[in-house]
Amino acid sequence: DAKTTQPNSMESNEEEPVHLPCNHSTISGTDYIHWYRQLPSQGPEYVIHGLTSNVNNRMASLAIAEDRKSSTLILHRATLRDAAVYYCILIYSGSARQLTFGSGTQLTVLP
Amino acid sequence: DSGVTQTPKHLITATGQRVTLRCSPRSGDLSVYWYQQSLDQGLQFLIQYYNGEERAKGNILERFSAQQFPDLHSELNLSSLELGDSALYFCASSEQRVWTGELFFGEGSRLTVL
Repeated sequence: DAKTTQPNSMESNEEEPVHLPCNHSTISGTDYIHWYRQLPSQGPEYVIHGLTSNVNNRMASLAIAEDRKSSTLILHRATLRDAAVYYCILIYSGSARQLTFGSGTQLTVLP
Repeated sequence: DSGVTQTPKHLITATGQRVTLRCSPRSGDLSVYWYQQSLDQGLQFLIQYYNGEERAKGNILERFSAQQFPDLHSELNLSSLELGDSALYFCASSEQRVWTGELFFGEGSRLTVL
């Protein structure tokens, strides 16, 4: 699977937007971009995924660069409950689709 | 609640022992995945089963084995346990036939080897 690079940590203030970046310069045309998060003492939780176009769901938005070499997860209004480790993961569409987790970004939300 | 159930939630045992972790996937999900999370290694994929058959293998030690039963529940067997096997073990499930991009994770089984 292609590699992703994320900042180790980020901070945000409560109720402000958060932009979590991910670089994936070796992404291939058939790789999907997935985001998961892991809250303290819980299993990972799906956030969003996309291929080429920007995506929105109830949790977040995913902005994908035109060349697909980077993407940004956007939390529109951070809450204390959004404090978690966020993982950006590439999945080849033809694979068994197991997730390969990197070290992720630890998001701290300040009240 | 993801719908994935793992038992036991906590387990303490001694080196050299054998334990079995159990996972019940979400209703209708055919794929089961096992992951190990330790402080120094992060989340590591161990193995995947699809409808009873092994589908993919990751960094699973030879001392570890898994299987998926006809009712689709899965068990991860860890034997000759070492201190370094202390970790959180997560099970996840997905509906592989229609890929929604989502794996559903259980709350994990915390194994402590003393």
